[in-house]
Amino acid sequence: GAGVSQSPRYKVAKRGQDVALRCDPISGHVSLFWYQQALGQGPEFLTYFQNEAQLDKSGLPSDRFFAERPEGSVSTLKIQRTQQEDSAVYLCASSLMVNTDTQYFGPGTRLTVL
Amino acid sequence: QKEVEQNSGPLSVPEGAIASLNCTYSDRGSQSFFWYRQYSGKSPELIMFIYSNGDKEDGRFTAQLNKASQYVSLLIRDSQPSDSATYLCAARSLNRDDKIIFGKGTRLHILP
Repeated sequence: GAGVSQSPRYKVAKRGQDVALRCDPISGHVSLFWYQQALGQGPEFLTYFQNEAQLDKSGLPSDRFFAERPEGSVSTLKIQRTQQEDSAVYLCASSLMVNTDTQYFGPGTRLTVL
Repeated sequence: QKEVEQNSGPLSVPEGAIASLNCTYSDRGSQSFFWYRQYSGKSPELIMFIYSNGDKEDGRFTAQLNKASQYVSLLIRDSQPSDSATYLCAARSLNRDDKIIFGKGTRLHILP
C-alpha cells in the first residue's frame, strides 16, 4: 500500500519484557516521527528522524526507550523492561520533506503491558 | 498549563447544524495550526492547517485563527453522523524546535 504501515498492530507484553515496534513510512519520505497516545489524550511527541539521523529524542520518557532508522526508511521503536505505564498506542508518522506540515499517520501499535 | 487546550466534550450537535470546536494555545511563537480528525481506534488524519489570521474554508470545514487571542477554531457546516469523531487541535512552534504539539481532543457526536 501507499500509506504508513506499522507492525504489530497489537502487542501484549508482560511487565519487564522488551518489545520492538516497527514503522514503514511512505516511500521517499524524509521525516519520520514517533508519538505515544494514551487513552483519552492527544498524541505526545517521542522522537524525530530526518533520513537516518535522529534529530530530536527529547520526548522519549526514559532511557528504556530507544529508536533507530538505520537506512533512512524503516524505523524501530524499542522499549526495554516494559512497565504498565508504557501501555498506550504508539503512532508513527512520516512527511515528505523537512519542516513540511503534512504528516501522514500509520494505524498505530496498541501496546498493553500486564 | 498545557500548551494546547481543548474542551474534551462530548459536544453533541444535531445533524445538519454547525459544529463549533475551539482550541487555545499558550506559546506565542506558534506559527502553524492544525485540525486532525480521529475516529475511535484509528489514527489521526489531517483535515486542515492554517497559518494566517482569519478564516480558511475547505468544503464544509472552516478553520479560524486569531493570533492576538491565541485561539483557533474549526466550524463544520451541515454536520453529518460521519463527522462524529475526536477532533485534535495542534500547533507547531519554532520555540519547540518545530515539534507539533497536540491538544487532548474534543469528542464530537452528531445526533441523527
